Amino acid sequence: EVQLVESGGGLVEPGGSLRLSCAASGFTFSNYVMHWVRQAPGKGLEYVSGINGNGDDTYYIESVRGRSTISRDNSKNTVYLQMSSLRVEDTAVYYCVKKDTGTYLDWGQGTQVTVSS
Amino acid sequence: VVMTQSPVSLPVTLGQPASISCRSSQSLLSSDGNTYLNWFQQRPGQSPRRLIYKVSNWDSGVPDRFSGSGSGTDFTLKISRVEAEDVGVYYCMQGTHWPYTFGQGTKLEIK
Repeated sequence: EVQLVESGGGLVEPGGSLRLSCAASGFTFSNYVMHWVRQAPGKGLEYVSGINGNGDDTYYIESVRGRSTISRDNSKNTVYLQMSSLRVEDTAVYYCVKKDTGTYLDWGQGTQVTVSS
Repeated sequence: VVMTQSPVSLPVTLGQPASISCRSSQSLLSSDGNTYLNWFQQRPGQSPRRLIYKVSNWDSGVPDRFSGSGSGTDFTLKISRVEAEDVGVYYCMQGTHWPYTFGQGTKLEIK
């Protein structure tokens, strides 16, 4: 059974930093692209960032590019999202998602990031 | 690719059918011959759960009262008889073009 367990969220002031983690199990982690998808309060779903299986190719949406770094440790089956210069508009639940061809099947439970003074 | 769902809010009487429309700004027919249109259900306080993939394929455990149809740019999710457990927000998502994009969601509630 695939499991994705996020951690690292919390309350941070504008301009602060957080590192989100996602521990994966139940599949061959290094074979899969991993994504982060977020959901602002009362809003829809938005792809944020992704990383390929060996970690040498990364993707970001425009609004987080330059402020966020996605990485992975295949020896620990974990993907990370380092977020800095956080803004109020980054407030959201951040989901770790396993990418399959044309779809997302497996989602984590999400970790809440709140940016507020 | 912009995904546009309608309606945004969908009040339905228990036992009655429901239908959600999803339109994409570009054709979702991929060069590999597949159409990567997915439907997700998000119940209150839960992560999204995939119901349907490649337009009309059910995921394991999804009741057969859910069905998906469509092609090209126009797609539909239908629920034949709404039950109380169907309350939540439904999202379509395209996986043909990069980056994957979601519709804005349709909130289904019981009338």
